[in-house]
Amino acid sequence: DQQVKQNSPSLSVQEGRISILNCDYTNSMFDYFLWYKKYPAEGPTFLISISSIKDKNEDGRFTVFLNKSAKHLSLHIVPSQPGDSAVYFCAASAIAGGTSYGKLTFGQGTILTVHP
Amino acid sequence: GAGVSQSPSNKVTEKGKDVELRCDPISGHTALYWYRQRLGQGLEFLIYFQGNSAPDKSGLPSDRFSAERTGESVSTLTIQRTQQEDSAVYLCASSLQPTSYEQYFGPGTRLTVT
Repeated sequence: DQQVKQNSPSLSVQEGRISILNCDYTNSMFDYFLWYKKYPAEGPTFLISISSIKDKNEDGRFTVFLNKSAKHLSLHIVPSQPGDSAVYFCAASAIAGGTSYGKLTFGQGTILTVHP
Repeated sequence: GAGVSQSPSNKVTEKGKDVELRCDPISGHTALYWYRQRLGQGLEFLIYFQGNSAPDKSGLPSDRFSAERTGESVSTLTIQRTQQEDSAVYLCASSLQPTSYEQYFGPGTRLTVT
């Protein structure tokens, strides 16, 4: 039962262009969503998050959009840089209506490659 | 400051042997999580510790898996009688508060069962 899905295993974009990574979820109890970035041989690092009361959150080149009715979120990276090449994981949590702590459910990840 | 550390970084073991993986969380972080990432898959929650409260073990895949944590410091994940399907990267994360969504991950332990 995959509650968080990233249907694109990989994405390749040109430097300077926009990267759009997508994530779908099925559990309507999820109320907080995060994106993590992972380089090889390192643990994931937090990138950006969004609460279910918002539909957009922006931090520099990174913007996360949330469409609750579609149970879909996306991460936009503009402009993309070669250093952005990594695996990106979408994660969700359900503190308000679910567990009492920040238990995260992760997607499978999308490998982003940004070509110079 | 120091991040989350894990040891060993790599472990190769024979099927049927027991292994012990260690995690040192960030000092002052009260919540600690263990995850597993199998090849080509996302992170799979295993267990959660918070202070002296009973841990949430709901993600442990079988009774061969167990974990302990000493107060708010070091945690060990033990896998008994390892099987080939246990091969994965085991990741530890900690957070400042139990309700904090932002978890800080260690580099992981890559376990290979031959």
